[in-house]
Amino acid sequence: AQKVTQAQTEISVVEKEDVTLDCVYETRDTTYYLFWYKQPPSGELVFLIRRNSFDEQNEISGRYSWNFQKSTSSFNFTITASQVVDSAVYFCALSPLEAGNMLTFGGGTRLMVKP
Amino acid sequence: EPEVTQTPSHQVTQMGQEVILRCVPISNHLYFYWYRQILGQKVEFLVSFYNNEISEKSEIFDDQFSVERPDGSNFTLKIRSTKLEDSAMYFCASRDRMNTEAFFGQGTRLTVV
Repeated sequence: AQKVTQAQTEISVVEKEDVTLDCVYETRDTTYYLFWYKQPPSGELVFLIRRNSFDEQNEISGRYSWNFQKSTSSFNFTITASQVVDSAVYFCALSPLEAGNMLTFGGGTRLMVKP
Repeated sequence: EPEVTQTPSHQVTQMGQEVILRCVPISNHLYFYWYRQILGQKVEFLVSFYNNEISEKSEIFDDQFSVERPDGSNFTLKIRSTKLEDSAMYFCASRDRMNTEAFFGQGTRLTVV
């Protein structure tokens, strides 16, 4: 069975602060994929990143960066210099490498960035 | 940019009625999914569909649910006899091949009264 835990249900920061969203996962698979999705107030799910389990290199995309630590089963997401437009619910998700490839989502972290 | 489209955006139905939620996946995609999100909760997998058949389904996807790809473009989720607890946002997603990211539609908010 797979499980994704996002212990932070809600985070509030002031604009320009850095913020890290935690994600811890459980899986018996040796190879898998990890994802982050953003859900703005409008409700849609916006893909942010996909990471292979065999690639532990951290990734940076603009103000976003991701830290994948296989040893601790964590895939944390950092927003640098947060902006009001970053306010959303962020979901971490896990997918096996097998037929179906369905996503198991964490409970989400609601990020509120105040001006 | 290609996108997954879902209709309607919001549907209100009476308990016991049948509803059909419609999705048009991205045209060259081969794998299709339905997920649901009860208000304020996490997104949950319902079913995956490939090569005109269900490849996986969750415990939520019981006999009240069915999926169909009636033509080359649409992918539908039918709930045969809706219950109050079926009220949720339903997301359709599609993927072009194994091991790539799934693209989600904007969702259909289903309200059962």
